[in-house]
Amino acid sequence: DAKTTQPTSMDCAEGRAANLPCNHSTISGNEYVYWYRQIHSQGPQYIIHGLKNNETNEMASLIITEDRKSSTLILPHATLRDTAVYYCIVRVAGGSQGNLIFGKGTKLSVKP
Amino acid sequence: GAVVSQHPSWVICKSGTSVKIECRSLDFQATTMFWYRQFPKQSLMLMATSNEGSKATYEQGVEKDKFLINHASLTLSTLTVTSAHPEDSSFYICSAPGLAGGEQFFGPGTRLTVL
Repeated sequence: DAKTTQPTSMDCAEGRAANLPCNHSTISGNEYVYWYRQIHSQGPQYIIHGLKNNETNEMASLIITEDRKSSTLILPHATLRDTAVYYCIVRVAGGSQGNLIFGKGTKLSVKP
Repeated sequence: GAVVSQHPSWVICKSGTSVKIECRSLDFQATTMFWYRQFPKQSLMLMATSNEGSKATYEQGVEKDKFLINHASLTLSTLTVTSAHPEDSSFYICSAPGLAGGEQFFGPGTRLTVL
């Protein structure tokens, strides 16, 4: 699986959009970009994933650059409950493809 | 989305005892489950892959005789920490792959404290 690079930490004001970047310059053509988050002392939670088109669901939007070497997770209206560590993971899709490899992620702090 | 549960959510035990942690997929079947360990302020590290009906596969450096894994059914995997020591104190998390899309569903984790 390709390696990803994320900022260590970010702050965001409550109610504002949180934009979390991720670099994955060695991504392969069949690898997807996945985002998970982990709220303190809980198991990780799936947020969204995409291949090359931008994706949106009830939680977030995922913007992938045309060359697929980077992406941005957008939380449109951050709340205090969005404070968590966000992980960007690149891997081949498919449930039996194996485990997820977690990097250090970005610690997002949403402040009032 | 699919739900994965873990039991217990926390456990405190004495050094030298064994502790069993259960991971259940509540509304879907999982032929494969993954066990992770997370130490304070660190990221999740894969310990082993649990396979229904066959032996688990362990990551390098994880003692298979210490961390016993049993995947007896399509909805249950158990991790037993044998002869636990204080250095085994950690947050243990299991996950199961979804049916489609490649996402994984994680349990809420089990906090193990060995005194």
